[in-house]
Amino acid sequence: SQQGEEDPQALSIQEGENATMNCSYKTSINNLQWYRQNSGRGLVHLILIRSNEREKHSGRLRVTLDTSKKSSSLLITASRAADTASYFCATDASDYKLSFGAGTTVTVRA
Amino acid sequence: DADVTQTPRNRITKTGKRIMLECSQTKGHDRMYWYRQDPGLGLRLIYYSFDVKDINKGEISDGYSVSRQAQAKFSLSLESAIPNQTALYFCATSDQGQVYPRQFFGPGTRLTVL
Repeated sequence: SQQGEEDPQALSIQEGENATMNCSYKTSINNLQWYRQNSGRGLVHLILIRSNEREKHSGRLRVTLDTSKKSSSLLITASRAADTASYFCATDASDYKLSFGAGTTVTVRA
Repeated sequence: DADVTQTPRNRITKTGKRIMLECSQTKGHDRMYWYRQDPGLGLRLIYYSFDVKDINKGEISDGYSVSRQAQAKFSLSLESAIPNQTALYFCATSDQGQVYPRQFFGPGTRLTVL
């Protein structure tokens, strides 16, 4: 069964706007990771946040983690057309296996 | 990621046929994984291997088998393909030396079973 669930399933925004997506999970984790997938291609790792961290930044990405609520959010600021992709959260429960959610599809309109 | 390659990239086969999907990596990672992706379901783990002598079932291993021929090679077989195995298949690797490893994915194999 899948550990994570992303919300919303799909998101359409104007270029320059921010995009926020959320991930909820069910069991305790060691870390949570976000991946991007361009249409039909392999996933690319974006950012990892450890269970003892609350917020992390990487370029235009900001990830938060609330272990008490078992949830995480990914914020992409100042979106670009190239950010159009599907975004997946993946949880690692200390066994080096990742459990992926179903993903959020983001469309950035020019 | 060009360091993880999958062959073939696309395959159309018929019900009942045996098919093998191959994965090779030049990253020197011990850990390798096979996933399938279906629309709306994200990625699901089929099998994983933490070294050449270690093979483990994932959440959806029924109907699949794997072979870890070498550190760099991990193959997925469908002994008798069926239409509901139509999906996008991904191989991934991760570094055993990292405390918090991320995974590196191949480009995927699109498999259609008629």
